[in-house]
Amino acid sequence: AQSVAQPEDQVNVAEGNPLTVKCTYSVSGNPYLFWYVQYPNRGLQFLLKYITGDNLVKGSYGFEAEFNKSQTSFHLKKPSALVSDSALYFCAVRDGYNTDKLIFGTGTRLQVFP
Amino acid sequence: DVKVTQSSRYLVKRTGEKVFLECVQDMDHENMFWYRQDPGLGLRLIYFSYDVKMKEKGDIPEGYSVSREKKERFSLILESASTNQTSMYLCASSLMTLSPSYNEQFFGPGTRLTVL
Repeated sequence: AQSVAQPEDQVNVAEGNPLTVKCTYSVSGNPYLFWYVQYPNRGLQFLLKYITGDNLVKGSYGFEAEFNKSQTSFHLKKPSALVSDSALYFCAVRDGYNTDKLIFGTGTRLQVFP
Repeated sequence: DVKVTQSSRYLVKRTGEKVFLECVQDMDHENMFWYRQDPGLGLRLIYFSYDVKMKEKGDIPEGYSVSREKKERFSLILESASTNQTSMYLCASSLMTLSPSYNEQFFGPGTRLTVL
């Protein structure tokens, strides 16, 4: 069965510092991986996806994610955090090859301090 | 821009009531989804619909049913609400995917349901 894990419930980082939000996956076959963000009192917004190609994927709001097959990871990164990046971040994986369903992780709350 | 709207942002119901949550999307998407979001559990899929009148159970369908009579509208029904159904409910939609690509899901703002 496909699954993703977000090992950290919360990540704290100072504004201007680089940030990393971790995600590991377990799939049979090639993974389709995603990051979504949920700002306070809002629905989820798509950030980026990895399907194939370059291991470094660039997304919205200056975020990027690195696909690492040997470590089965898809960590979300940003070189310089902003206070406005404070939100709940979800990693997700496609639930099989021939489906449009996703399986989401438990979420990581990112807190950026001024 | 894709817009997914949900009928209520906040809803308070009593145990045993029948509850309807409505979701409408305006981009002619084939797929629609209902999730519930709970702290520490992330998003869990309740039901998925890939076409009008077509539905597929998700991971936690017990106590819920759905209806999709028109392409743009997907309703979640709690036949007899219980306190353990107090949660945030999120609706999403997406275009049907033709592999090897994948079309992302677009989410509504959510309905926070409290069952007393």
